[in-house]
Amino acid sequence: GAVVSQHPSWVICKSGTSVKIECRSLDFQATTMFWYRQFPKQSLMLMATSNEGSKATYEQGVEKDKFLINHASLTLSTLTVTSAHPEDSSFYICSARDSQGGNTGELFFGEGSRLTVL
Amino acid sequence: KQEVTQIPAALSVPEGENLVLNCSFTDSAIYNLQWFRQDPGKGLTSLLLIQSSQREQTSGRLNASLDKSSGRSTLYIAASQPGDSATYLCAVPQGAQKLVFGQGTRLTINP
Repeated sequence: GAVVSQHPSWVICKSGTSVKIECRSLDFQATTMFWYRQFPKQSLMLMATSNEGSKATYEQGVEKDKFLINHASLTLSTLTVTSAHPEDSSFYICSARDSQGGNTGELFFGEGSRLTVL
Repeated sequence: KQEVTQIPAALSVPEGENLVLNCSFTDSAIYNLQWFRQDPGKGLTSLLLIQSSQREQTSGRLNASLDKSSGRSTLYIAASQPGDSATYLCAVPQGAQKLVFGQGTRLTINP
């Protein structure tokens, strides 16, 4: 199947710093990518929909100024956690759908990025 | 608003058994349903995608069925193996693109 790569797979940072997580579709183009957050032993919660060349669409309750999303190309979306605090510690997962598959195509997920804020 | 429920939340069975995981969703107007596997600390691996026009999909020892009218899907795992131990998630679209996930079933296969 298609491959979605996330980097870094884990990161530890000090409170108040910013952290950038990259999500790349390696063998297909993705007009839209999705960013999820997952707390321990819980399911995935959609944070935002990242649209290539335009602003991201954030879910209710997600601070857009804290979680900056940039989708500069058809294969790369980035999530920047600004001024991180310990409560931002979580597992962040991105997903992407092959643009050729339309809206009914299969979604592929990255391996996730574990953020720990000290 | 789409809601997805998975039962049971956890399941532990001996190796070799056949088992069924259940998923139900509240809005039957979906165009597909997807089953995923998640290993601890890892991302999601897509197992099966069932389009709304299909009733089931098979991949190896896995078989997923979809009954849109009743808002249900099942994932059947035949001849379970310890390597099948993981959390299994089902997800359906809400609107054009967003996926809504169930809470998952944590499966343990005992050797």
